[in-house]
Amino acid sequence: NAGVTQTPKFQVLKTGQSMTLQCAQDMNHNSMYWYRQDPGMGLRLIYYSASEGTTDKGEVPNGYNVSRLNKREFSLRLESAAPSQTSVYFCASSEGTHRTGETQYFGPGTRLLVL
Amino acid sequence: AQSVTQLDSQVPVFEEAPVELRCNYSSSVSVYLFWYVQYPNQGLQLLLKYLSGSTLVKGINGFEAEFNKSQTSFHLRKPSVHISDTAEYFCAVSGKNNFNKFYFGSGTKLNVKP
Repeated sequence: NAGVTQTPKFQVLKTGQSMTLQCAQDMNHNSMYWYRQDPGMGLRLIYYSASEGTTDKGEVPNGYNVSRLNKREFSLRLESAAPSQTSVYFCASSEGTHRTGETQYFGPGTRLLVL
Repeated sequence: AQSVTQLDSQVPVFEEAPVELRCNYSSSVSVYLFWYVQYPNQGLQLLLKYLSGSTLVKGINGFEAEFNKSQTSFHLRKPSVHISDTAEYFCAVSGKNNFNKFYFGSGTKLNVKP
């Protein structure tokens, strides 16, 4: 099992460019999440998906869109990148749907630099 | 909503010494508590979690944490650290009555020196 995989590992964008971060999990999990990690701020939730076909906003959704393509895949899109979106992005998954207290399993992250 | 405070951004310690990483939370509802570890250039890995029952929770790599409801704390401890424990540690909380949304602290960098 690969667990949670993310592509790309690194990306450099110019202001105004768009890109999609890909995430896939092979654990048959129902819930998936996107976080951003900034120095001194821990991880903040951008969007989450409790099941295939549903998505909801987290703490910091502005400037992002997501798609739950199927049960395995959850992508994050930056339509017009800004320097403030320079960050490390993590995807995570957990087994249940709306089930609290579950462990979230994290991918290795995508490092994004917006110039 | 919930929030988590990790007051120590960095903790230097010598190898084989004990260590405590502090975590305090605030919440208007009952919570579940987690500690995650992040090694350099990697994702987060679960160390331990508290759901219910005994307030002393044991995790991987010899770490343990104690839930203290009255002090709203969930401090992480290890009696003797190794160089390999050098990493960043994150405390997280999720409410019992809503979706499995985690709120993370700002992290504590543990630097174990020889």
